[in-house]
Amino acid sequence: DTAVSQTPKYLVTQMGNDKSIKCEQNLGHDTMYWYKQDSKKFLKIMFSYNNKELIINETVPNRFSPKSPDKAHLNLHINSLELGDSAVYFCASSHITWGPNQDTDTQYFGPGTRLTVL
Amino acid sequence: DAKTTQPTSMDCAEGRAANLPCNHSTISGNEYVYWYRQIHSQGPQYIIHGLKNNETNEMASLIITEDRKSSTLILPHATLRDTAVYYCIATTSGTYKYIFGTGTRLKVLA
Repeated sequence: DTAVSQTPKYLVTQMGNDKSIKCEQNLGHDTMYWYKQDSKKFLKIMFSYNNKELIINETVPNRFSPKSPDKAHLNLHINSLELGDSAVYFCASSHITWGPNQDTDTQYFGPGTRLTVL
Repeated sequence: DAKTTQPTSMDCAEGRAANLPCNHSTISGNEYVYWYRQIHSQGPQYIIHGLKNNETNEMASLIITEDRKSSTLILPHATLRDTAVYYCIATTSGTYKYIFGTGTRLKVLA
């Protein structure tokens, strides 16, 4: 069973179009994330949701709108796609475990969605 | 979150131990050190994490210096499948984000 899954795996579209990427996790986690990895391979956080509430929005353009219908899903909708949006988008999830000696806040990543804007 | 510094690339012979260093000299007391790797363009894969003590799991060992300013990830017997980019991240639990650096590109040679 795939822990964090994303659809589609590949997405090729024209500039100006609107597209969505879906993410689902079956780990029972309460926090989900979107990261973007550009052509230079830099991985950068875009959004974090905890219990369906937006926690972090890292100065992402308004054209990007995440939606979390429930704790297991976090979708990313992108309006008016631009050439610079071409990248690999990774979804991740986590659940903090507070321990006496060590906490665990491990993020588990999906396989990625490669978006190409022409 | 503390900034981490890693060498850009390293080579390791197959079957030998791969020792990947990470510098996090500005790490604060409640920041953990996490290691991930990314094989080709797959999603980053969790390897190990620690706070002060050395840690070991089925994948690797993590050695953290006493002053916590640096750490080393050890893959005891590197295989070709360990060729990947390895990321060291310093973060506090509940920050709700990881800050990835440029990582170390490890190439395991046959």
